[in-house]
Amino acid sequence: DARVTQTPRHKVTEMGQEVTMRCQPILGHNTVFWYRQTMMQGLELLAYFRNRAPLDDSGMPKDRFSAEMPDATLATLKIQPSEPRDSAVYFCASGLDYIGDRDRRETQYFGPGTRLLVL
Amino acid sequence: SQKIEQNSEALNIQEGKTATLTCNYTNYSPAYLQWYRQDPGRGPVFLLLIRENEKEKRKERLKVTFDTTLKQSLFHITASQPADSATYLCALDFLQGAQKLVFGQGTRLTINP
Repeated sequence: DARVTQTPRHKVTEMGQEVTMRCQPILGHNTVFWYRQTMMQGLELLAYFRNRAPLDDSGMPKDRFSAEMPDATLATLKIQPSEPRDSAVYFCASGLDYIGDRDRRETQYFGPGTRLLVL
Repeated sequence: SQKIEQNSEALNIQEGKTATLTCNYTNYSPAYLQWYRQDPGRGPVFLLLIRENEKEKRKERLKVTFDTTLKQSLFHITASQPADSATYLCALDFLQGAQKLVFGQGTRLTINP
């Protein structure tokens, strides 16, 4: 049963510290998404990749957030320096995009999330 | 800018009744609309996908309708059970980029025994 995995599941840190969250997408998927979920804003898209290339990171605060895919099995989201307002649950999702085929749109598979608390 | 509204933050339904959740949107109609279920402490899980040219889609006790004139999707759970209690999210696909989805805030559904 293929699943998206995320580490760590929980993270408590102090303001100003660097936070790195990792995601292993489902093998064979060519898209990876990073979301942030809060009570106030709901589920917001931060960044996403296709075939490891970043397509859109307009949802991310550029000065402190960065997202990368060092290889097909690993996606990372870093916050440096972290702030209390970054406290949220961060989800990674992966999927399969049939490029250019609008008749084949697939679902996204979400990981369990990283619950981040910045004090 | 595009807005998505899901009916009330919370909905309480008696077991056995049909639960109906609403997803309204403004401006442009999506090419696809998806519904997800999210349990506390977990990531969203895909339930159903409906295309803009489809009126209705069914899967077991679930039914989704899509009305591009009203700019609305309805999500029905028939013969509801306490195990159906969760938050339900609608997500719109405007064919922008690779599977990019815009999610609603979600409706927290509670089925009372």
